[in-house]
Amino acid sequence: ETGVTQTPRHLVMGMTNKKSLKCEQHLGHNAMYWYKQSAKKPLELMFVYNFKEQTENNSVPSRFSPECPNSSHLFLHLHTLQPEDSALYLCASSQEGLAEKTYEQYFGPGTRLTVT
Amino acid sequence: KQEVTQIPAALSVPEGENLVLNCSFTDSAIYNLQWFRQDPGKGLTSLLLIQSSQREQTSGRLNASLDKSSGRSTLYIAASQPGDSATYLCAVRDDYKLSFGAGTTVTVRA
Repeated sequence: ETGVTQTPRHLVMGMTNKKSLKCEQHLGHNAMYWYKQSAKKPLELMFVYNFKEQTENNSVPSRFSPECPNSSHLFLHLHTLQPEDSALYLCASSQEGLAEKTYEQYFGPGTRLTVT
Repeated sequence: KQEVTQIPAALSVPEGENLVLNCSFTDSAIYNLQWFRQDPGKGLTSLLLIQSSQREQTSGRLNASLDKSSGRSTLYIAASQPGDSATYLCAVRDDYKLSFGAGTTVTVRA
């Protein structure tokens, strides 16, 4: 596997279900991100983990719960979602703290989530 | 708060024509600007990254310019092909995050 991978690629869940999205980066980066992309809206940053510490929670409802067990893996735990949470969820990674400060972000293919 | 605007929202051109996509941002205190391509229902592919100290970057048929003081970037795609049909996203990086524009959806007609 190369780059950033996400599983599952598609997920349909009811409002009472609990599910998790998984992201893995194979780039040796130290920062990982969750983004939400809804129809006709710009990408919204949800969470940032830098050196495994959460440094940003962009006013995300508590029904979304991130977990970063190590610098290569990132999870998004979902429970009691609403239909408006249906969206494409994208994971990204970058190498932070470089002297050159390029901070280029690399994205995974996304998980298409449908809440019924 | 950083605001990123992309104009036009959609663009349709015949094959072979050059494409010009515009991006503007409100806060010039940025580290870099990235242009991405997104195919329908797919993730983002990074096309070009311009650091704040640079004026332009080139990769094949793609050329991106950056005027940080005026808060503008332009992506040029030379000799467009049907395979260039996609949504192109501009994003600027500040202290710790990327702020995205809504994108320009490009259709190249054969």
